[in-house]
Amino acid sequence: NAGVMQNPRHLVRRRGQEARLRCSPMKGHSHVYWYRQLPEEGLKFMVYLQKENIIDESGMPKERFSAEFPKEGPSILRIQQVVRGDSAAYFCASSPDNTDTQYFGPGTRLTVL
Amino acid sequence: AQTVTQSQPEMSVQEAETVTLSCTYDTSESDYYLFWYKQPPSRQMILVIRQEAYKQQNATENRFSVNFQKAAKSFSLKISDSQLGDAAMYFCAYRRRQGGSEKLVFGKGTKLTVNP
Repeated sequence: NAGVMQNPRHLVRRRGQEARLRCSPMKGHSHVYWYRQLPEEGLKFMVYLQKENIIDESGMPKERFSAEFPKEGPSILRIQQVVRGDSAAYFCASSPDNTDTQYFGPGTRLTVL
Repeated sequence: AQTVTQSQPEMSVQEAETVTLSCTYDTSESDYYLFWYKQPPSRQMILVIRQEAYKQQNATENRFSVNFQKAAKSFSLKISDSQLGDAAMYFCAYRRRQGGSEKLVFGKGTKLTVNP
């Protein structure tokens, strides 16, 4: 059973561009979580999604950030008009239901020039 | 809101020795999970051990064990017979058991160095 997949692993964008981060959960997992890790910090929750639904987006900035988890295909975290402060590692985790352990992907390191 | 505190930014241990990493948390919930995750230089988050709050018995996983003190809201990780491959950042995390959103709340981490 393949683990959680994230791509790209590294993404470089210039200020004002868009960043799209993809996450494919483990097979059989329908719950996806996105976390952000700033340098020298722990992970901070951003958003929790089930198939086609956003359950909790309390950790996501109100502007420029959006997330989706369509019926088919990976979950996408989209950052519009990136700024230098968006530079961070973005981790996706999945679980088979909302009471079980979350398994993490390898992360996407976003660098904004 | 729940918070998780790791008071040791860095720790070091000699190979084959034992080290304990501290974690305290604050919550008004009575039913929850606690986790330790390891993040090696590859940055992959790896689950080390998990504890359910309703279980009095401390979780163990090979060389890793926890000391869970519910009343004190303390959840320390003991690594026995430390190996060079144990060198990593270690994050303590809390997760509420019930409710519609089961996000993890992380501490800031402890960087563990293992000396040969």
